[in-house]
Amino acid sequence: DSGVTQTPKHLITATGQRVTLRCSPRSGDLSVYWYQQSLDQGLQFLIHYYNGEERAKGNILERFSAQQFPDLHSELNLSSLELGDSALYFCASSARGETYNEQFFGPGTRLTVL
Amino acid sequence: AQKVTQAQTEISVVEKEDVTLDCVYETRDTTYYLFWYKQPPSGELVFLIRRNSFDEQNEISGRYSWNFQKSTSSFNFTITASQVVDSAVYFCALSEAGNQGGKLIFGQGTELSVKP
Repeated sequence: DSGVTQTPKHLITATGQRVTLRCSPRSGDLSVYWYQQSLDQGLQFLIHYYNGEERAKGNILERFSAQQFPDLHSELNLSSLELGDSALYFCASSARGETYNEQFFGPGTRLTVL
Repeated sequence: AQKVTQAQTEISVVEKEDVTLDCVYETRDTTYYLFWYKQPPSGELVFLIRRNSFDEQNEISGRYSWNFQKSTSSFNFTITASQVVDSAVYFCALSEAGNQGGKLIFGQGTELSVKP
């Protein structure tokens, strides 16, 4: 158990809908990262928050947004969902968000868009 | 350009065999970090090891060992006397000092199947 929690574990929804994925980092960690894992794209970095502020963005679609709250939990919002958004979404946390910090991953949220 | 290549998509071995998973990386940074993660069938990603670009010492942890060679831009992972519980997808990842915040760039993964 990495200490990172993600809810829900599974999510099934329809095209055009909006969903929110939630992540709680390990106790004491200030950084939260979001990654998407799909069969065709592999593991891709989406976005990084450090202590409530956005620090780096990857190839995150405009339909996707995220935020980190004062209690350091984070939410990833996916809207106008398409079939291709079906994937496993991971949240990871690290102590400070430095390059050398190892990232600890949550169990993931499996999103299925029908 | 930053890139991680794991050329072996799938490897199948019989229990107790040794197996090496290859990882080749590309980066322009002189300071960077390399990682290995394990993704068992349950799906979570488990951190195994981190190395920095200035430390080329090989590392051994139980049945696991890692060989980092800057000259060939490789960071290979060997499992000695493999066990069925080692069956998983293994990912190599790169983090560059020039990238603010330490995002990980992953290889495509190598699926290891250890048969009894």
